Amino acid sequence: DAGITQSPRHKVTETGTPVTLRCHQTENHRYMYWYRQDPGHGLRLIHYSYGVKDTDKGEVSDGYSVSRSKTEDFLLTLESATSSQTSVYFCAISERGRDEQYFGPGTRLTVT
Amino acid sequence: DQQVKQNSPSLSVQEGRISILNCDYTNSMFDYFLWYKKYPAEGPTFLISISSIKDKNEDGRFTVFLNKSAKHLSLHIVPSQPGDSAVYFCAASFTQGGSEKLVFGKGTKLTVNP
Repeated sequence: DAGITQSPRHKVTETGTPVTLRCHQTENHRYMYWYRQDPGHGLRLIHYSYGVKDTDKGEVSDGYSVSRSKTEDFLLTLESATSSQTSVYFCAISERGRDEQYFGPGTRLTVT
Repeated sequence: DQQVKQNSPSLSVQEGRISILNCDYTNSMFDYFLWYKKYPAEGPTFLISISSIKDKNEDGRFTVFLNKSAKHLSLHIVPSQPGDSAVYFCAASFTQGGSEKLVFGKGTKLTVNP
């Protein structure tokens, strides 16, 4: 299994509070991704990174920001959480942009 | 605009029979296609891929077929096993402006009955 961990694995927070999810890899892969999975929508890309300090938006980036100060860590921040951001969040890594991605175990976030 | 479509939300087959999962795409720029499998409470795992220069790729019990003219790909599982019960996601990618774009379908839940 690819070395990817996500923390926390579960979180319940209130509307309006900031939340940061962490993805950590031990594979030294260049690309890192954040997805959300919702019923009826499959996997949707939020943001991705193609190197340290290099990030780009995905299809559902509104309300989210990311940072990557080290190869191994990719942070996803919800500046002010809303109920529509209740979801399961997956981090993924890949060696090259066209390669298959390896996914972390997911973080279940509930915004009340 | 849904660029990658998996029109069957669910599929049920008997153990030992063939499972066929379908995926259609609309963007002719897609040139690399992947299938992922996802069990409950776990992250998706890569299953098999195919480049647009091929029309078939096989890996054990799993075969992916690509029909570019129809913008259609399918995943065949033969023989199906109860452990194959999972959600299967089709994904398609292309390069635009130097960056890779990967789009997932909504998934098909496969149930293999013993």
